[in-house]
Amino acid sequence: SQQGEEDPQALSIQEGENATMNCSYKTSINNLQWYRQNSGRGLVHLILIRSNEREKHSGRLRVTLDTSKKSSSLLITASRAADTASYFCATDLSGGSYIPTFGRGTSLIVHP
Amino acid sequence: GAGVSQTPSNKVTEKGKYVELRCDPISGHTALYWYRQSLGQGPEFLIYFQGTGAADDSGLPNDRFFAVRPEGSVSTLKIQRTERGDSAVYLCASSFGTGRNEQFFGPGTRLTVL
Repeated sequence: SQQGEEDPQALSIQEGENATMNCSYKTSINNLQWYRQNSGRGLVHLILIRSNEREKHSGRLRVTLDTSKKSSSLLITASRAADTASYFCATDLSGGSYIPTFGRGTSLIVHP
Repeated sequence: GAGVSQTPSNKVTEKGKYVELRCDPISGHTALYWYRQSLGQGPEFLIYFQGTGAADDSGLPNDRFFAVRPEGSVSTLKIQRTERGDSAVYLCASSFGTGRNEQFFGPGTRLTVL
């Protein structure tokens, strides 16, 4: 079963707009990570946010974590065509083994 | 420094054959993971190594799947009597320390079972 689920499944925007993707999970976590995947091959790590953190920034990326709602969001500001990719959240269960569990991902298309 | 490498990049085999997929992690990374990803899905965990030992193999779908990491570095995922349903991209990732850290993924091996 999948711990994290991204929403929406697909997102299509124009270059320059902001893109927001959400991740919901079911049980307590140690940390949550966001990854990007191009062309169905290797994933690239974007941001790791720990359960005691509420917000993190990295360049044009902003991640928030609300443990009370068991949800996280990834915001990409001023999107570019090169941001077109699939985005996944991965959760690491609290007290569990060190196995990040991935959702099905959000497919983002940024039109130039 | 080199990233995680996987060979071959593509593998086409016939149903019933045996295949081996190789993963070279980043030097010094003690944790190594294998995942399988089908089209439109996220990576599905298969097995996790900490050093030479399999710390968690709960994701292996059945006994046709086996993985080794004899010297704590390179790992090989072995699939016996392949089935068409085994067709997927097999991803390897490594991380430093316990594994609760950023994972670095290889480019994957696309396995096609005819």
